[in-house]
Amino acid sequence: SYVLTQPLSVSEAPGQTARISCGGDNLGSKIVHWYQQRPGQAPMLVVYDDSDRPSGITERFSGSKSGNTATLTIMRVEAGDEADYYCQVWDIASDVVFGGGTKLTVL
Amino acid sequence: QVQLQESGPGLVKPSQTLSLTCTVSGGSISNSGSYWSWIRQHPGKGLEWIGFISHTGYTLYNPSLKSRVGISADTSKSQFSLRLNSVTAADTAVYFCARENGRTYYFDYWGQGALVTVSS
Repeated sequence: SYVLTQPLSVSEAPGQTARISCGGDNLGSKIVHWYQQRPGQAPMLVVYDDSDRPSGITERFSGSKSGNTATLTIMRVEAGDEADYYCQVWDIASDVVFGGGTKLTVL
Repeated sequence: QVQLQESGPGLVKPSQTLSLTCTVSGGSISNSGSYWSWIRQHPGKGLEWIGFISHTGYTLYNPSLKSRVGISADTSKSQFSLRLNSVTAADTAVYFCARENGRTYYFDYWGQGALVTVSS
């Protein structure tokens, strides 16, 4: 089955830029989506189709992809950004696949 | 604004069937272009896709759960439902319903989640 690999944790100071990676075989040929999940809440879509933002999501969130790695970038990190972040793709053999999640800590 | 709300028993005995319903408001589950999905999250763990149903009734399930899962829809009530048979403690999780974009398969609307505990 298809596997997406994310770092367990990322830490960044307020005002700095946080980058969360998501790696997978042949990821360049797949479309990546990103979710934010605050404690006790449902996940929320923050980036779809590699780099598009849903209405209402701050432009501080952006997505990119290079080779087999996708990256969620959060500029000017705030305390409210502290959450778990998940990447997700559709794979022809595995259907919907989520990464294991990355906990963002705002120092 | 599409809203989803899960409902169902919060406690299920081992070997029995877990049943949850998702009620959709602000949108029609009969419209093409979207799939209606179930996703679960074990305590302290990541997200696991369970499956979806389309507006035509087409279903697709996670291969690891396929033998035990069923998703159905009642368009007259704007609801879709999850059934998971022969549950064990390993099925204890928060179950989310969500709308899945039918083009690139992202989840743009989610329910708040329902905790289901499997215990005798």
